[in-house]
Amino acid sequence: GAVVSQHPSWVICKSGTSVKIECRSLDFQATTMFWYRQFPKQSLMLMATSNEGSKATYEQGVEKDKFLINHASLTLSTLTVTSAHPEDSSFYICSASDWSSYNEQFFGPGTRLTVL
Amino acid sequence: AQTVTQSQPEMSVQEAETVTLSCTYDTSESNYYLFWYKQPPSRQMILVIRQEAYKQQNATENRFSVNFQKAAKSFSLKISDSQLGDTAMYFCAFTVRGGNEKLTFGTGTRLTIIP
Repeated sequence: GAVVSQHPSWVICKSGTSVKIECRSLDFQATTMFWYRQFPKQSLMLMATSNEGSKATYEQGVEKDKFLINHASLTLSTLTVTSAHPEDSSFYICSASDWSSYNEQFFGPGTRLTVL
Repeated sequence: AQTVTQSQPEMSVQEAETVTLSCTYDTSESNYYLFWYKQPPSRQMILVIRQEAYKQQNATENRFSVNFQKAAKSFSLKISDSQLGDTAMYFCAFTVRGGNEKLTFGTGTRLTIIP
C-alpha cells in the first residue's frame, strides 16, 4: 500500500515556458503533500507543504509565484514551474501522508526537469 | 529549528559485512520521530526504519537496526550482512510528532557495497 506516483518522470522544456508536475496518492487519501527539490548529490530540500483545499505553505526562499502548488483533492497535488529557466533544472520529488501514517511520508519516484 | 547531521559523506564495505551509518540531531522537542531513508540509483526514496522518540527500545527491521541514544541525540543505522542492493544514498530524517509533519533531512551518506 501507500503508493505515490508522479507524472511526468522526465521533462525537457524551453526557457520561459511553464511545466506542470502531478503527484497522486494511488491507494490512500493524502491530507498533506510535500514538494521537494534535489540537486545532484545533495539532500532533499523542502519547497512547500500543501493541505487539501488550502493554500500551500512555502519554505523561506522559495518563490511562491514561480512554483505554484495546487492540492485540489485528497489524491492529487500539482507543482507548476512558471517561466522556467535553466537554473530551475533539478529533480523534483513529492511525498504524501495521511492521518494514520504516524508522520511517515510516502514518496513519489520524482520528476527530472531540464530547462534548455 | 531542528538540524540533522550526517558526518560520513561516503562509506564502503565488503559484501556480507556490517556497517554503521552515523546521524546526530539537534532539537528542543521531546516527542518526535526519526527515520532512515534509502535512495538507490533509481532515486526512489524508500523508508528503511522508523524510531519513535518515546520508545526506549531500538527499532529493527530484518538486517537493519538502529542505536537510538536520546540523551546524546544520536540515531545510527546498522546494516548487517550487507548486500549489493544496499548500495544507495542513506538519509537520516527528523520530524516533530503531532506537528506539521515536515521532515528535516541530513546531508546523506553514500554507501557502496563492494562485491
